[in-house]
Amino acid sequence: AQSVSQHNHHVILSEAASLELGCNYSYGGTVNLFWYVQYPGQHLQLLLKYFSGDPLVKGIKGFEAEFIKSKFSFNLRKPSVQWSDTAEYFCAVNAHGYGQNFVFGPGTRLSVLP
Amino acid sequence: DAGITQSPRHKVTETGTPVTLRCHQTENHRYMYWYRQDPGHGLRLIHYSYGVKDTDKGEVSDGYSVSRSKTEDFLLTLESATSSQTSVYFCAISEEGGYTEAFFGQGTRLTVV
Repeated sequence: AQSVSQHNHHVILSEAASLELGCNYSYGGTVNLFWYVQYPGQHLQLLLKYFSGDPLVKGIKGFEAEFIKSKFSFNLRKPSVQWSDTAEYFCAVNAHGYGQNFVFGPGTRLSVLP
Repeated sequence: DAGITQSPRHKVTETGTPVTLRCHQTENHRYMYWYRQDPGHGLRLIHYSYGVKDTDKGEVSDGYSVSRSKTEDFLLTLESATSSQTSVYFCAISEEGGYTEAFFGQGTRLTVV
């Protein structure tokens, strides 16, 4: 079965610090990859997505992610976080040939201190 | 925001009672999903639909059923609610399944007492 892991359960950073959140998946074929953000009390919103092409993808709010196929990874980065980035971040995968659903990781809670 | 409406937004129900949650979309997307969100588990797929009357089970489908009689509506029914089904339920839609992104509704917080 497909699975998605996120290395960090809770990350605490100060404003202006750089961010990297890890995401690994367990499928060796073609995948579509997503990062979603959930602000407190809200629904999930798409940050960025990767389907094919340039493995470095840019999303909204200054976020970017890099797909490294050999490592089955899709890590999320931001060079300088803000207090407003405090949220929970979810990585999701759709594995070709395994249906049209999305498999989510357990999430990483990010707390940014002012 | 995508046109997705979940109802009710909050519900408290008693163990053993049936409960139906509704998801309504105005985007005419083919795929609709029900997920539950629990701390430490992220989002887990309950059921999804790939067209009217076409549904499939997800990883946590026991105790749940779904129906989709119209493109715009996807209903999730808890046959006989249990305390383990206390959770936040999210509906999502996608135009082309996993080949396009999913858009999420605002969620329904269900408490089974």
